[in-house]
Order: sequence, then C-alpha cells, then structure tokens
Amino acid sequence: QKEVEQDPGPLSVPEGAIVSLNCTYSNSAFQYFMWYRQYSRKGPELLMYTYSSGNKEDGRFTAQVDKSSKYISLFIRDSQPSDSATYLCAMRNSGAGSYQLTFGKGTKLSVIP
Amino acid sequence: DGGITQSPKYLFRKEGQNVTLSCEQNLNHDAMYWYRQDPGQGLRLIYYSQIVNDFQKGDIAEGYSVSREKKESFPLTVTSAQKNPTAFYLCASSITLGPTFRDEQYFGPGTRLTVT
Repeated sequence: QKEVEQDPGPLSVPEGAIVSLNCTYSNSAFQYFMWYRQYSRKGPELLMYTYSSGNKEDGRFTAQVDKSSKYISLFIRDSQPSDSATYLCAMRNSGAGSYQLTFGKGTKLSVIP
Repeated sequence: DGGITQSPKYLFRKEGQNVTLSCEQNLNHDAMYWYRQDPGQGLRLIYYSQIVNDFQKGDIAEGYSVSREKKESFPLTVTSAQKNPTAFYLCASSITLGPTFRDEQYFGPGTRLTVT
C-alpha cells in the first residue's frame, strides 16, 4: 500500500461547481497536511497548510483533515476556469528529522466555462 | 520581488554528459531542496540542505550531486551515472527545516531536462 493515495483524474466540472479533491494515507504519524496547485509546466504553488485534524478556510478553498479516517480533502467553491490545474496533496510527520514531505501523485482538474 | 529562480527552463543534453541545474532564492530561507517529478508520479526528494556547506541525501540521490556554498544558491548536477535523467526538476526552499509551521516549502518554476 502506498503511503499517500490520490485519484489522478482527470476530473472535469462546469464553471461554478463545487470541487472535492481527496487523498488517503496510511502513516498515522502524519501531522501536517498541505495542498499545492500546479499549472502545466510550472512549479507547485502552496495553497493550504493545516496541522492535525479540522478545517481551514481561505477564500473559495477549504481544507479538511480527518485523522481518524486518514483522509484529507480540498474543496473549491464557485470553481473557475483558472482553477484548472493539477492539485497535489503532501504531508509529513512531526518527529525529529521530519522535514520530508510525502506527495500524492496529483489530481488533474479541468473547469469548463 | 522575492522568490526562487531556476535556470534554464529547458535543457537538452546528450547521454554521458554531466549537466548542472541552477537554483537561487532571495527569500533568506535556510533550507533548500531538490525534487524530481515524472509523469504520473509524485515528487521525489533528491537532496536537501539545512545550512551552508551541509546537505543530505533524499530518497533518490544516486547519480546526482549538490553543493551549498552560499545560502541563496543550491545547484544540482545530474551526472552520467543517473540512469534515467529525463525529468522535470524542481527546487524548493523553506525558512527552516522543520518541524514547525515555518517550514512551508515554496517551489521554483522548474527545469525540464531532456537527455537523448
């Protein structure tokens, strides 16, 4: 079983839809969770960074962490064509030497005007 | 503007040649990282550095080398020993190595290396 599983998509939605992107993980030591957005042929851009369980909201984006289920989600409200990108989840634990991020493979999202 | 720059954006080399990818940051970050991204795969860590003149191997360091002579610079050399060097290479930096909230990693625009 891979440490982080992420459905690669592609996921196509109409403009204005609510998008749900998800990752599951197997390592219960993961404590910090991130979502990155990556446009084609560009570097990833940090969108959300959360610690442990709970929700975090930033504009149209909401990150949700359920540690009991080892499941994280990113919701995008009122999706726009400019949201079309690949979304990567990443996570790490909090122990000594816990610099290393474990990434999902990314979900490719297309928002159709 | 503060940020991370990588050059060149595209790089082509013949098999058997070493090639060096540049990464510079003006964010005053202590930690820097090199990742490799292949189609359909997550990012994989090649090397990281916490401070000047110190660096550590990541998961896939074989066939790569780095140096950290200046805080703002962390060049990556892809050697002829790297069996499958064609990939998208990403440099990142963070304020500290972690584990705190000051360890968010910020990425550069990437270099796409093609070796034929």
